Amino acid sequence: QKEVEQDPGPLSVPEGAIVSLNCTYSNSAFQYFMWYRQYSRKGPELLMYTYSSGNKEDGRFTAQVDKSSKYISLFIRDSQPSDSATYLCAMKASGSARQLTFGSGTQLTVLP
Amino acid sequence: GAGVSQSPSNKVTEKGKDVELRCDPISGHTALYWYRQRLGQGLEFLIYFQGNSAPDKSGLPSDRFSAERTGESVSTLTIQRTQQEDSAVYLCASSLAPGSTNEKLFFGSGTQLSVL
Repeated sequence: QKEVEQDPGPLSVPEGAIVSLNCTYSNSAFQYFMWYRQYSRKGPELLMYTYSSGNKEDGRFTAQVDKSSKYISLFIRDSQPSDSATYLCAMKASGSARQLTFGSGTQLTVLP
Repeated sequence: GAGVSQSPSNKVTEKGKDVELRCDPISGHTALYWYRQRLGQGLEFLIYFQGNSAPDKSGLPSDRFSAERTGESVSTLTIQRTQQEDSAVYLCASSLAPGSTNEKLFFGSGTQLSVL
């Protein structure tokens, strides 16, 4: 079993839809949770960063962490075609980025 | 430069040949990472450089893989005697605050390596 599981999709939604992307994990030591967005033929870019449980909102994006269920989510409201990308979750137990464990990514397409 | 620069963007090679991949980090970023991204899989950590400290090579999959970094500048990842399973995107990232809880990685666009 992988430490971090992420549904690869692909996920296709109409413009304006609410998108829910999810990851589950098995390592209860993970405390820092991230979502990266990766456009085709580009490197990942950090989208959201949360520590421990709870919600964090940034514009149309909301990151949610439920440590009791070992489950994290990224919600995208009013999705746009420009949101079409692969979304990777990542998490770590301590400070160093060397410890980051990435999910395999979910490919999202938002249709105009 | 404005961002992390990697070259070449694409590399096609024959099995058994050596390849060299280059990364130019963001100026002033002391930490540099190499990752491998196989199709449909998450990023795998390969190696980490921080200043003049000994690199963390714990992620290198075999002794065919090696990397060097000149000071806090350019890094090269070398794969000797390439195998088909080495086909992947090789990503480089740099950061300004290595080891901190708020460390943010800035990634290059990667090198797509195809071993025939």
